[in-house]
Amino acid sequence: NAGVTQTPKFQVLKTGQSMTLQCAQDMNHEYMSWYRQDPGMGLRLIHYSVGAGITDQGEVPNGYNVSRSTTEDFPLRLLSAAPSQTSVYFCASSYSIKRDAGELFFGEGSRLTVL
Amino acid sequence: AQKVTQAQTEISVVEKEDVTLDCVYETRDTTYYLFWYKQPPSGELVFLIRRNSFDEQNEISGRYSWNFQKSTSSFNFTITASQVVDSAVYFCALSDLSGSARQLTFGSGTQLTVLP
Repeated sequence: NAGVTQTPKFQVLKTGQSMTLQCAQDMNHEYMSWYRQDPGMGLRLIHYSVGAGITDQGEVPNGYNVSRSTTEDFPLRLLSAAPSQTSVYFCASSYSIKRDAGELFFGEGSRLTVL
Repeated sequence: AQKVTQAQTEISVVEKEDVTLDCVYETRDTTYYLFWYKQPPSGELVFLIRRNSFDEQNEISGRYSWNFQKSTSSFNFTITASQVVDSAVYFCALSDLSGSARQLTFGSGTQLTVLP
């Protein structure tokens, strides 16, 4: 079972470059989200989507864009990378947007370094 | 606003010792969900448990047990007879009505090292 798949797993960018982190899930999950993980800060929500065509901001959305054209895919775009965006990024999904819908399923993470 | 505090940044134990990881949360809601995730050195996040605010029963799963106490807003996690494979970062997380539908607020994590 593929579950939640993130690519790439590692990426090095220069300041000002753009890139897209890909996230795909094959579980027909309604809810998808992106978190970033920084040392000593746990994971923080960047953006989320409750279905195709619907996205919204999380706790730390600045510098990131998302779109949800299909149920399966939820890419995260950095338009002009900054060193402060050096982090590990996790995509997560859930079969329902309801709070009692069980756990979030996480991808394996993408480590991004911005020089 | 919701908040999760894991005051123990790092814990080191010797194999076969019992260890408890503390989690204290803050929320204004009466309905909420608490989670524990494990992040081994390989980096992925592994779901361990989910508990809703109306279920204060303690839970045991093999060597793992969880103690939920609403009176002290705590959801502590105990590993009995720890093993080297338990070495990981453990995150406690909260989902309540103030965040987005499935938003989890994470604690900063506790790095557990189990020495042979």
